[in-house]
Amino acid sequence: AQTVTQSQPEMSVQEAETVTLSCTYDTSESDYYLFWYKQPPSRQMILVIRQEAYKQQNATENRFSVNFQKAAKSFSLKISDSQLGDAAMYFCAYLLGGATNKLIFGTGTLLAVQP
Amino acid sequence: EAGVAQSPRYKIIEKRQSVAFWCNPISGHATLYWYQQILGQGPKLLIQFQNNGVVDDSQLPKDRFSAERLKGVDSTLKIQPAKLEDSAVYLCASSLGIRQFFGPGTRLTVL
Repeated sequence: AQTVTQSQPEMSVQEAETVTLSCTYDTSESDYYLFWYKQPPSRQMILVIRQEAYKQQNATENRFSVNFQKAAKSFSLKISDSQLGDAAMYFCAYLLGGATNKLIFGTGTLLAVQP
Repeated sequence: EAGVAQSPRYKIIEKRQSVAFWCNPISGHATLYWYQQILGQGPKLLIQFQNNGVVDDSQLPKDRFSAERLKGVDSTLKIQPAKLEDSAVYLCASSLGIRQFFGPGTRLTVL
């Protein structure tokens, strides 16, 4: 069974600095998708970034980028130039795709941004 | 484009009572999901619909939870009777492809 592990329950970063959130996963599949979601206090899950396992190039979305290490089954999120609005719970998630489009989430990392 | 709508936003009930949650997905999205998010955990899929058919309900506690999507559009999730451990946020999501779009969730408290 696929599992997702986030080993950092909480992280803190100074405004304008860079922070990296860690995620590891376990799967025997070769083709899958990985995501980082942001969940602010409003509870709405917001997609931050997505990575297809068949792509070697790391995904980037403005200040957000990932370090995808397929062999190590590692998928970390780097937030550059952190802003106060980045403060939220961040979830790493795995999706196999196909008929069952089920997302499997990690336990989350609570990110605080200090002014 | 309107997002995924859910109601109510909050619900407080006594244990053994019944409760129902409603979800209206993004127009045109064939796939609809219900997730349960217990405090301190990531969301867990309860049930997935493709149009009005069930694709995956392997983690739905079928003795007390039920869900339907009769016309392949909006959906209702019901709990009857509720237990204390059902206290959680219930998230609805919809998708056309790989990306899932989430609603604001319903926070359920069972006393």
